[in-house]
Amino acid sequence: EAGVTQSPTHLIKTRGQQATLRCSPISGHTSVYWYQQALGLGLQFLLWYDEGEERNRGNFPPRFSGRQFPNYSSELNVNALELEDSALYLCATREGSNQPQHFGDGTRLSIL
Amino acid sequence: AQSVTQLGSHVSVSEGALVLLRCNYSSSVPPYLFWYVQYPNQGLQLLLKYTSAATLVKGINGFEAEFKKSETSFHLTKPSAHMSDAAEYFCAVSPLNFGNEKLTFGTGTRLTIIP
Repeated sequence: EAGVTQSPTHLIKTRGQQATLRCSPISGHTSVYWYQQALGLGLQFLLWYDEGEERNRGNFPPRFSGRQFPNYSSELNVNALELEDSALYLCATREGSNQPQHFGDGTRLSIL
Repeated sequence: AQSVTQLGSHVSVSEGALVLLRCNYSSSVPPYLFWYVQYPNQGLQLLLKYTSAATLVKGINGFEAEFKKSETSFHLTKPSAHMSDAAEYFCAVSPLNFGNEKLTFGTGTRLTIIP
């Protein structure tokens, strides 16, 4: 069974640009979560999508946004990139309530 | 609100020795608790989960954890460390009630195995 896949593996951008990160869930998983793992800040919850709807949002500015597609894959968009957005962005998916989240290997976003 | 405290950002043990990684949680509602492991340049891999069934939970790679409500703890143990256990370990909590199912992570413990 294929795991959670994220693309691209690495992404290099400059300040002010926009970044799009993608996540494909494990087959049968309908919920998608995004987390940011920044140096010194640990793992922070960003967004949760379920059945195409945004269900919960972490303490991040509106320039962090995303969506979930009918096939349950998801995109995370970050606009007006800032240096402190440099981090590993992890996607996790889950089959349903009371099931654990399974993580992809992440996209490392570097802002120059 | 939930929170997790991992005592010790770095732990070193000798190969073959007991591994003990500490996790204490705070939750206003009954929690789900998890341990994840992260190897370099990889995502998080689920080691084990507590979901209000048995208090002693067995996971992969010989790890286990015991939920102690009176101590609000969920420490991770392994009887005999192996070189391949060197990684960063994260304890996480999630509330049982639907609608707020994000994971709240501890700051992580980096485990080093001494040959």
